[in-house]
Amino acid sequence: EIVLTQSPGTLSLSPGERATLSCRASQSVSSSYLAWYQQKPGQAPRLLIYGASSRATGIPDRFSGSGSGTDFTLTISRLEPEDFAVYYCQQYGSSPPTTFGQGTKLEIK
Amino acid sequence: EVQLVESGGGLVKPGGSLRLSCAASGFTFSSYSMNWVRQAPGKGLEWVSSISSSSSYIYYADSVKGRFTISRDNAKNSLYLQMNSLRAEDTAVYYCAREHPFLEWLLDYWGQGTLVTVSS
Repeated sequence: EIVLTQSPGTLSLSPGERATLSCRASQSVSSSYLAWYQQKPGQAPRLLIYGASSRATGIPDRFSGSGSGTDFTLTISRLEPEDFAVYYCQQYGSSPPTTFGQGTKLEIK
Repeated sequence: EVQLVESGGGLVKPGGSLRLSCAASGFTFSSYSMNWVRQAPGKGLEWVSSISSSSSYIYYADSVKGRFTISRDNAKNSLYLQMNSLRAEDTAVYYCAREHPFLEWLLDYWGQGTLVTVSS
């Protein structure tokens, strides 16, 4: 089973700033089958990025993903108020089981 | 518009049973694999179970294997999770999620979830 470790646990930034979130895998993620989800309080997760760098339908271009192998990054270029949420990475290349990281909380500074 | 609506959650005693349902609409349900994912209070996401479009392939997390059973009724556009021998650690919001049609295990749409509380 691939274990995903996200860092930092909490990131405190202001609107307009750039956010960089990290996801590290315990072994290589095949074919960059790495996704990112956003979850707001009381809501279901929403798919943002798949294939490490492809944006899902309707996702603004301020969200971008990068990385390969064991190290992946989600970048939000200029934070909007609605971007403050919890973000999870997921590997789906070596499944079952698919696994998720423990999450990074992006909070307003 | 894709919609997934879970139901059936509630309070149950340890050792008890519960059956969750997920009603799907806005897409051809019978063409998609479906999953259950849970989230304990204040915790992260944990994949629970998956079922292929024709029910030919079924998978479970080790934590629920032998206690939970996933099933579907394509005629009713519905997904189910039968949960037996429930434990306190099964307390969570349970989400049903659709799998991407071309990328296995990528979950592209999620329902709003139903809360299961296991407590005496």
